[in-house]
Amino acid sequence: DGGITQSPKYLFRKEGQNVTLSCEQNLNHDAMYWYRQDPGQGLRLIYYSQIVNDFQKGDIAEGYSVSREKKESFPLTVTSAQKNPTAFYLCASSYDMGRGNIQYFGAGTRLSVL
Amino acid sequence: DQQVKQNSPSLSVQEGRISILNCDYTNSMFDYFLWYKKYPAEGPTFLISISSIKDKNEDGRFTVFLNKSAKHLSLHIVPSQPGDSAVYFCAANSGYALNFGKGTSLLVTP
Repeated sequence: DGGITQSPKYLFRKEGQNVTLSCEQNLNHDAMYWYRQDPGQGLRLIYYSQIVNDFQKGDIAEGYSVSREKKESFPLTVTSAQKNPTAFYLCASSYDMGRGNIQYFGAGTRLSVL
Repeated sequence: DQQVKQNSPSLSVQEGRISILNCDYTNSMFDYFLWYKKYPAEGPTFLISISSIKDKNEDGRFTVFLNKSAKHLSLHIVPSQPGDSAVYFCAANSGYALNFGKGTSLLVTP
């Protein structure tokens, strides 16, 4: 079955620690995205990647980093510089970034601070 | 600044009736609009979309209407079913990513 897999489902971060959220897709999509959702809020874009070895900052990139070494994978690192990391993180992918692109989402990772 | 707005945080509708979810946007450069449905602790699921060159798109029980002059779109669900209870997000394509509204929580009661 094609889809997007995010792991882990739940993650806890200690003060000053970096944590990495995994996102893998087998849809053969070129574009991948990371969003953050806070309670009562919409999805806010953290980073996106149109193609392997290329990525761009979204609206709230501070305190986060990404890599895109393989087409299938787009991991997100929440660094210690992110002072308010508690949120629901969603990874998405789309065939391209053209007009009308439909993004498909993973099931999400809920990150909490210990 | 929120470019896509869903001004009703919640909506309750009886089973069998019509559900109407509304969405307003401010950026006239948006040329494609999408609706997503989301259950708690899950990722959003694509529901239906509409291009800015159209004013209506229908898929089964779901119809999206676009009024470009008013910068307004709406999602109609007819008839509403209890399984439709979820949060619905409106999103607009700005060329590189999607801009999402804050969502409307729909509750369909038996």
